[in-house]
Amino acid sequence: EPEVTQTPSHQVTQMGQEVILRCVPISNHLYFYWYRQILGQKVEFLVSFYNNEISEKSEIFDDQFSVERPDGSNFTLKIRSTKLEDSAMYFCATTGGAGETQYFGPGTRLLVL
Amino acid sequence: QKEVEQNSGPLSVPEGAIASLNCTYSDRGSQSFFWYRQYSGKSPELIMSIYSNGDKEDGRFTAQLNKASQYVSLLIRDSQPSDSATYLCAVPSGSARQLTFGSGTQLTVLP
Repeated sequence: EPEVTQTPSHQVTQMGQEVILRCVPISNHLYFYWYRQILGQKVEFLVSFYNNEISEKSEIFDDQFSVERPDGSNFTLKIRSTKLEDSAMYFCATTGGAGETQYFGPGTRLLVL
Repeated sequence: QKEVEQNSGPLSVPEGAIASLNCTYSDRGSQSFFWYRQYSGKSPELIMSIYSNGDKEDGRFTAQLNKASQYVSLLIRDSQPSDSATYLCAVPSGSARQLTFGSGTQLTVLP
């Protein structure tokens, strides 16, 4: 069964460093999302991506964040200058149609020291 | 701000019992609703989706939707210890239909 994959599974970085989180969506899916979950808190929406551009973003998704689909398969989330409060699980989710079931990748656990 | 509310629990039920999980949502225009299961340290995994008022059954799981009351629930029959997890209610919103999640209900099924 097709699944969403994410790399790395864990990332430890120093405050102020750049990190890139990668996602490989299910092959025929067109809508891509990034969510994050701070330990013990809700899953929160960050950004959605469709037709090679951002379709919607939350207030969390500030200028430190960017997304792109560099090669038609990978979908990346970049944090330019990490802060302590960026420590969280980051989930990629994809779907074939807006409003349809979103399938989540296994997540990347990011720890900023 | 679209809100999705769940009883955070924890909810404990004995093995074989029925677990009942509840969710309310603020957006009257919502058309689809999802229940995800999340084991500790793992990603959300879809349990059920429901789009129409009434009940939808899938194995031991039944989702119930009442749009007039803005209420959706999940029943787990014959609960098993492996059902112990946090159950997340999620509702699409916004132009990209991104999911708004509730805080989740932590369920423990006692052997």
